Amino acid sequence: DSGVTQTPKHLITATGQRVTLRCSPRSGDLSVYWYQQSLDQGLQFLIQYYNGEERAKGNILERFSAQQFPDLHSELNLSSLELGDSALYFCASSAGGASGGQETQYFGPGTRLLVL
Amino acid sequence: AQKITQTQPGMFVQEKEAVTLDCTYDTSDPSYGLFWYKQPSSGEMIFLIYQGSYDQQNATEGRYSLNFQKARKSANLVISASQLGDSAMYFCAINVLGTDKLIFGTGTRLQVFP
Repeated sequence: DSGVTQTPKHLITATGQRVTLRCSPRSGDLSVYWYQQSLDQGLQFLIQYYNGEERAKGNILERFSAQQFPDLHSELNLSSLELGDSALYFCASSAGGASGGQETQYFGPGTRLLVL
Repeated sequence: AQKITQTQPGMFVQEKEAVTLDCTYDTSDPSYGLFWYKQPSSGEMIFLIYQGSYDQQNATEGRYSLNFQKARKSANLVISASQLGDSAMYFCAINVLGTDKLIFGTGTRLQVFP
């Protein structure tokens, strides 16, 4: 158990809908990362938050947004869902010291999203 | 830009034997970290081992060790005394100083047979 929790584990929804994925980092970790794993794109970095502030952005679609709350949990919002958004979404956390440190990221169990 | 290449889509190994999973990377930055993760069929990503670019010695964690050859830009994972529970996808990833994101390779599926 990595100490990172994600809910829900599975999500089935329809095209055009909006969903929210939730992540709680390991105790004491300030950085939260979101990754998407799909068959065609592999594992891709979406976005990072550090202590409530956006720190880095990757290949995140405009239909997707995220935030990190004062208690450090994070939510990833996916809207106007398309079939191609079906994927495994991971949250990871790290201690999050100085930017660019080679800190280990610990991953949650993931949320498997299926868009029908 | 950074890149990770894992050229072995699949590997087979007999139980109790050692196996090496290949990983090469491409970066022009002098400071970086290399990571290996295991993804069993259940889907979670499990951190295995880390190697920093300035580390003088190869990293080891239990049955996992990293064969780090900086000049060749390779960071192969060695699993000794394979167990049936080692059957999984294995991902190599790089993190470069100045950015926190991990860049992953395409993974190697390891199958351990009795």
